[in-house]
Formats: sequence, C-alpha cells, structure tokens
Amino acid sequence: KQEVTQIPAALSVPEGENLVLNCSFTDSAIYNLQWFRQDPGKGLTSLLLIQSSQREQTSGRLNASLDKSSGRSTLYIAASQPGDSATYLCAVRPVDSSYKLIFGSGTRLLVRP
Amino acid sequence: GAGVSQSPSNKVTEKGKDVELRCDPISGHTALYWYRQSLGQGLEFLIYFQGNSAPDKSGLPSDRFSAERTGGSVSTLTIQRTQQEDSAVYLCASSFVQASGNTIYFGEGSWLTVV
Repeated sequence: KQEVTQIPAALSVPEGENLVLNCSFTDSAIYNLQWFRQDPGKGLTSLLLIQSSQREQTSGRLNASLDKSSGRSTLYIAASQPGDSATYLCAVRPVDSSYKLIFGSGTRLLVRP
Repeated sequence: GAGVSQSPSNKVTEKGKDVELRCDPISGHTALYWYRQSLGQGLEFLIYFQGNSAPDKSGLPSDRFSAERTGGSVSTLTIQRTQQEDSAVYLCASSFVQASGNTIYFGEGSWLTVV
C-alpha cells in the first residue's frame, strides 16, 4: 500500500532563507508526483507536476526534484517570503490506481518577516 | 469557467439532515474527483468520474454518501442523514481525461459542519 510522508510537519524560518521540504513515498510505481499549496480556509493550488521520467521541475522561486528509485521528492523554495506561508502537500499518482492521488499530511510553513 | 467552482462554500447543518454539495469543473475536463479533508487528517479520496460514469466508488465512507455527474460536467455529492463525523472540507478536482500525465486542479472546497 502506497504511503506518503512529509517531513517536517511544521517549519518556521525568517524571510529570505532558502528552504527544502521533503516528501517520501513507499512504492516507486508512480506516474507522477504533484506539489500543492494550501492556504488556511482555502482549496489546493497546484505548484509543480513532475512526471516519473523527469528529475526536476522549476517555476519561479520553486524547484521540485524527484528520485523515483529512492522514493523521494524535495521542494526547494528560494529567498522565502512571508507570502509563502502556507501548508505544502505532495501527492503521488500510483500506477495501479492512476485516477487516485495519495497525499502526504503536509508541511506547515511560516515565513517570519 | 476559469477554475473548479464549488458550492456552497460553507454549510452548517443539523445532524440527521441531508446535504448536497455541488462541483462545476473546468470546462473541457472530463475527469472529476471528490476528496475529503477532515480536521487534522490528510486528504481522503472519495470517488472519481470519467464522463458521467464512476468507475471507482470504493472511497465513499458509507452508503449515506452518493454522487452523480450529469452532462459530463456538474457533479453533486449527497450526504444523507448527516453525522457529526461527516464534518470536513469536501474538495472537488478535475483534469483533462483520466490520464497519468495530467495536472489535477482543485476547487476551494465546501466546508461542512454538522451540529
């Protein structure tokens, strides 16, 4: 059974720091991995989608990497800003049930001014 | 529409009442998904539609939960005889055909409180 784990559960950093959020998954048979952002009281906003054949994806100050064989992904946020404060969720799309995303429990990020 | 639209955004209902939650997917998206996010819990898959058909209903928590989709567009999630444990955020999402490479887009959610 696919399980997704995110570490740390919460993170507080001063503005301007570069930071890394971690996501691990137990079964490497995935089609892709998607990173989302969730603001309090809001839905999920898709940040980056990495296909299983890709190693990384970049969007602005965000860079996501994927090492499928080791079951790991990282989300790198450069020059963090208070507006980056949110919960970040990763989700994998398993090969054996590709319509279903399996989510981690998220990392709650606070960027202090 | 520009994004996935859900209504109501907030609903408070009395235990035992029925509720209907509506989802309007992104235009052209044939795949539609319902997830549930309970307080302090992760996101839980409920049901998926490809067109008007629901190939997998196994995520629905009990027979009090049902969902339908009409015209390959709008979907309704119905919860009958609501219980307090049904209190959660119900998130709808959509994508172009249920294909492995497609990004899934989520709505803002319907926040359900059962009192």
